[in-house]
Amino acid sequence: DQQVKQNSPSLSVQEGRISILNCDYTNSMFDYFLWYKKYPAEGPTFLISISSIKDKNEDGRFTVFLNKSAKHLSLHIVPSQPGDSAVYFCAASVVSGTASKLTFGTGTRLQVTL
Amino acid sequence: EAQVTQNPRYLITVTGKKLTVTCSQNMNHEYMSWYRQDPGLGLRQIYYSMNVEVTDKGDVPEGYKVSRKEKRNFPLILESPSPNQTSLYFCASSQGNEQFFGPGTRLTVL
Repeated sequence: DQQVKQNSPSLSVQEGRISILNCDYTNSMFDYFLWYKKYPAEGPTFLISISSIKDKNEDGRFTVFLNKSAKHLSLHIVPSQPGDSAVYFCAASVVSGTASKLTFGTGTRLQVTL
Repeated sequence: EAQVTQNPRYLITVTGKKLTVTCSQNMNHEYMSWYRQDPGLGLRQIYYSMNVEVTDKGDVPEGYKVSRKEKRNFPLILESPSPNQTSLYFCASSQGNEQFFGPGTRLTVL
């Protein structure tokens, strides 16, 4: 059973516009959420995260929104740039001790066009 | 430079021939983990280790073994590889919620 879902396998956005990537989860015990970005032939790299006690976290062009009641989070990229073209993974964890097990979604491939 | 390294990066092998994929991190992290990435399935955890000599199964452990004799190293062992283990493998380490990933190992089992 997929506990973290990314229902859009791909997304195409024009340069300069906003990219919105969505993620849904089913496990109400998740209390920390992360977005990872992955380029071809590289490992995923951490992008931004949010704790369940917040509903928004912003870092430059990237903002993550969390709606706990809907078990939904989204990543907004504005303005989108060609270098943002990559696969984006949503991940969730239950915070415990010094490190937490991450459960990943299936990924969304973002293509930013000129 | 803080990093997670994996070797080899690419491997083609045949069914039943034992292989080991090495993973090493230089960040003194206690937690290390192995994932496989398959189309349409995202990243799925194979095994993880909370510290030296402490390992546990992830979501898809069948056909894999791991060991954690030193803090920096976490090798993934396939005793008898099968074609359904053809995949892209990632090692990761962390000391909190953010995990740092290696560059990946693309394994093909014929």
